Amino acid sequence: AQSVTQPDIHITVSEGASLELRCNYSYGATPYLFWYVQSPGQGLQLLLKYFSGDTLVQGIKGFEAEFKRSQSSFNLRKPSVHWSDAAEYFCAVGATGGFKTIFGAGTRLFVKA
Amino acid sequence: DTEVTQTPKHLVMGMTNKKSLKCEQHMGHRAMYWYKQKAKKPPELMFVYSYEKLSINESVPSRFSPECPNSSLLNLHLHALQPEDSALYLCASSQDTESGSMDEQYFGPGTRLTVT
Repeated sequence: AQSVTQPDIHITVSEGASLELRCNYSYGATPYLFWYVQSPGQGLQLLLKYFSGDTLVQGIKGFEAEFKRSQSSFNLRKPSVHWSDAAEYFCAVGATGGFKTIFGAGTRLFVKA
Repeated sequence: DTEVTQTPKHLVMGMTNKKSLKCEQHMGHRAMYWYKQKAKKPPELMFVYSYEKLSINESVPSRFSPECPNSSLLNLHLHALQPEDSALYLCASSQDTESGSMDEQYFGPGTRLTVT
């Protein structure tokens, strides 16, 4: 069965510091992987997605993620965090041709000045 | 326009009330979704409509009744809800292509529902 694990419930980073959010997935075939961000009281916004090809994916707002099949990971990174990045981040996996997206539990990012 | 709109933003209802949540998109997407999200939890899929037909019902109680009147609109009718149904209800849409890829979903801002 598909599953997504985000090991960190919350992370605190200083503004301007680098960020890495971890995501591990379990899926039998090549997964379709996503990172979404949710600000308080808002819906989810797609940051980036991976389907195939280059394993380093660039997204919006300066985020990138790297797909590592050998580690079943899809970690999200940003070189320099801004206070506006404080939000909940969800890693997700989707099935080929299907509608179901399995979300991880989420990682809450706090940014300190 | 890459926006999914939801109304109302907030809704308070008693357990005997009947109310409806509304979702609209004008991106030409043919798949629309309802999710329920409790605080500090990820979204949980409730229903999926594909080309205006119900495609997935994740064993949701019958007090939640979805409706897709046309390709741009999605409703969720609520009746006899319980306090534990209080949550953020998110609507999403996607293209529903047949290319074999997993289409990204565009989410609305949600309706914050409180059942008293």
